[in-house]
Amino acid sequence: KNEVEQSPQNLTAQEGEFITINCSYSVGISALHWLQQHPGGGIVSLFMLSSGKKKHGRLIATINIQEKHSSLHITASHPRDSAVYICAVRSMDSNYQLIWGAGTKLIIKP
Amino acid sequence: GAGVSQTPSNKVTEKGKYVELRCDPISGHTALYWYRQSLGQGPEFLIYFQGTGAADDSGLPNDRFFAVRPEGSVSTLKIQRTERGDSAVYLCASSLMAGPNTEAFFGQGTRLTVV
Repeated sequence: KNEVEQSPQNLTAQEGEFITINCSYSVGISALHWLQQHPGGGIVSLFMLSSGKKKHGRLIATINIQEKHSSLHITASHPRDSAVYICAVRSMDSNYQLIWGAGTKLIIKP
Repeated sequence: GAGVSQTPSNKVTEKGKYVELRCDPISGHTALYWYRQSLGQGPEFLIYFQGTGAADDSGLPNDRFFAVRPEGSVSTLKIQRTERGDSAVYLCASSLMAGPNTEAFFGQGTRLTVV
């Protein structure tokens, strides 16, 4: 079993839909990251969370430390949101290593 | 620069050749990381630098892979005798320092194709 599991692996939705991507982890963490990767490989950090909830524009990230679970939400989704969304956690055992989920490929159709 | 810069963005090389991939981190960032991402998978840790020294190179797959950061800024990942299995996107990230609540910033990656 992977230490970081994301669901779903693939998600196709219509423009305007509310999107939820889930991340569960099995290790003790000091922080959880949500990142966005577009075709071509570049990765952009969206959020870094250690508790609670963060919002940036149409993106919302939440984390429940007790349940070892985080969600990334996209409101009013748009085709430009199409990308791979990756959850990565920083283990308590390391100051620098990230444990990565496999990513969720999101396609938003116009 | 404003962000982490990686060059080249794409590299096609023949099996057996030597390649160098460059990462220019955000100015002032002491921590630098290299990751490798194969198709359909999440990034895989390769090596972490704190300043000029490789603090953890446990992710380097074998001795064909080597990385340097001689002045504590720019880093070069070197791959000798490339193999087709080395084809991947090589990602570099930097952070102000290593630590639990320190955010890492990623470059655009170098897509390496070994033919």
